[in-house]
Amino acid sequence: GQQVMQIPQYQHVQEGEDFTTYCNSSTTLSNIQWYKQRPGGHPVFLIQLVKSGEVKKQKRLTFQFGEAKKNSSLHITATQTTDVGTYFCAGRGTGFQKLVFGTGTRLLVSP
Amino acid sequence: SAVISQKPSRDICQRGTSLTIQCQVDSQVTMMFWYRQQPGQSLTLIATANQGSEATYESGFVIDKFPISRPNLTFSTLTVSNMSPEDSSIYLCSVDPSGGTDTQYFGPGTRLTVL
Repeated sequence: GQQVMQIPQYQHVQEGEDFTTYCNSSTTLSNIQWYKQRPGGHPVFLIQLVKSGEVKKQKRLTFQFGEAKKNSSLHITATQTTDVGTYFCAGRGTGFQKLVFGTGTRLLVSP
Repeated sequence: SAVISQKPSRDICQRGTSLTIQCQVDSQVTMMFWYRQQPGQSLTLIATANQGSEATYESGFVIDKFPISRPNLTFSTLTVSNMSPEDSSIYLCSVDPSGGTDTQYFGPGTRLTVL
């Protein structure tokens, strides 16, 4: 079945450093979403990408959908302690497959 | 977006018992989803609940173990039956308020510990 892997599993950065997480699907995706889950919290929807090669920005966060629609990335510029949490991508394969969440990347930011 | 509440927020249960989790949404939605998140892991879809029809279960999840009700467009319940320690997880309900766009809004979750 469809698998969605994220790398790295975990990253610890100093505040002000940049951070990137990569999401790779075993199949072509019709769309991809990104979620953030704070420690002890629930996943919160950040953004959805639909078009091949699409790039969207939210303040310090930049999201990209690959040209082949099989991968995506989330880049955070100048991390802050409020960025701490686990970032999940989620995608649905073409052909009415179910939505599958990625393995997640846990981000820790030290002040 | 949507505002979702879940009850209970957490519970500790004995093996062999059952627990029913409630999910309430502040607006009418066609589909509600139930996920399981084991400690430190990603989210796994258990089933999709449509109002007025049987829930659709994903591979590895069966109705006898996880019966779901969907009596109206704002409410659903998930029961975890005959629990064992392996059922210890966070159970989350979610909705796609835009209908079919895949943007999921999650409830706060129910943290279940089975002894």
